[in-house]
Amino acid sequence: DVKVTQSSRYLVKRTGEKVFLECVQDMDHENMFWYRQDPGLGLRLIYFSYDVKMKEKGDIPEGYSVSREKKERFSLILESASTNQTSMYLCASTRPGQHTQYFGPGTRLTVL
Amino acid sequence: QKEVEQNSGPLSVPEGAIASLNCTYSDRGSQSFFWYRQYSGKSPELIMSIYSNGDKEDGRFTAQLNKASQYVSLLIRDSQPSDSATYLCAVNKDAGNNRKLIWGLGTSLAVNP
Repeated sequence: DVKVTQSSRYLVKRTGEKVFLECVQDMDHENMFWYRQDPGLGLRLIYFSYDVKMKEKGDIPEGYSVSREKKERFSLILESASTNQTSMYLCASTRPGQHTQYFGPGTRLTVL
Repeated sequence: QKEVEQNSGPLSVPEGAIASLNCTYSDRGSQSFFWYRQYSGKSPELIMSIYSNGDKEDGRFTAQLNKASQYVSLLIRDSQPSDSATYLCAVNKDAGNNRKLIWGLGTSLAVNP
């Protein structure tokens, strides 16, 4: 079974804090993705990575950065959290050569 | 025009009926098509993928693809209350290596007992 895990299910942070969201997959997947999902706006791609230390901006990268030091781990960083970053954050990964994305359980982040 | 369009719903069907969910896409070069189900507060889970024109069946679910008309649909037979969820359509954007998907906003389905 594909296993994608995320570090927290729920997280509450203060405005201005630096926030780390971690995603780990145990299936040697090469591509990993970070999305946010908001009511009425659907899934929006923040960043993705197709290899270790490789990253590309998605549709809404502003205010976020990412890190992929090891193949199994893809981290999303909010350098200075703001209230408009309150959202559900979803990580996904794909097997080599495939488009099917497998999602982690999500992290619901609230920024106060 | 959005790249992937779905009716937002809610689509309401009685238990036991057939639910029909539709999705249109704009990129004629798209090759991979997916239906995901998402329960409220949960992450999306894959129901079906389809790559060739025609029908693909898996249990109560049938995906239909028509590349000439640029639409993909999902039929759910014998709908159950547990099928009540949002259904997301996703389409690959690039044939290259990045494996990005373009997502519809989803159709909300309510199956009434």
